[in-house]
Amino acid sequence: DVKVTQSSRYLVKRTGEKVFLECVQDMDHENMFWYRQDPGLGLRLIYFSYDVKMKEKGDIPEGYSVSREKKERFSLILESASTNQTSMYLCASSRISSAPSNQPQHFGDGTRLSIL
Amino acid sequence: DQQVKQNSPSLSVQEGRISILNCDYTNSMFDYFLWYKKYPAEGPTFLISISSIKDKNEDGRFTVFLNKSAKHLSLHIVPSQPGDSAVYFCAARKLTDKLIFGTGTRLQVFP
Repeated sequence: DVKVTQSSRYLVKRTGEKVFLECVQDMDHENMFWYRQDPGLGLRLIYFSYDVKMKEKGDIPEGYSVSREKKERFSLILESASTNQTSMYLCASSRISSAPSNQPQHFGDGTRLSIL
Repeated sequence: DQQVKQNSPSLSVQEGRISILNCDYTNSMFDYFLWYKKYPAEGPTFLISISSIKDKNEDGRFTVFLNKSAKHLSLHIVPSQPGDSAVYFCAARKLTDKLIFGTGTRLQVFP
């Protein structure tokens, strides 16, 4: 079974702090993703990566950055945390799909981040 | 601009009956559609998918139907069980591995 592990289930930080969320997958997947989930808004993609040291912006990258130094690890960084970044953060990984097939994304259990 | 829409935030169904969850999309370039299920305090788990070249895919109690002309897909669960109570997200893919998710529908199956 694919295992995607997020380092913290719950995290409380203060406004202005630099926050690191860590995600590790054990299935040698090429793709890794960071989402945030908010009530009424579903899952929104923040950043994704197709390979080591490669990153692409998702739909809501503002205020965030990412790092992928190793294939199994994808870090999300809040450069200067703000209260509107209080949310559930979900990491996912998948193999690269080759048409016409699709490789589903496998998710971690999430980090509930509160910014005070 | 919400490209994938789930217009029903919640659905309540009696155990043993059919649950039908709906999803609409706007982009005709989507080539794959997926359904994910999410329990509280857990990450979403993949349930079933369908390619845009098909109109039906079945896996046990779960069937997904795709109507491309209406840009509409639906997930049927028959028979519904209490363990199916969760939030269901539909998602769409456009030629890459990036997914666009809907806002989710909370399904409650009661005895």
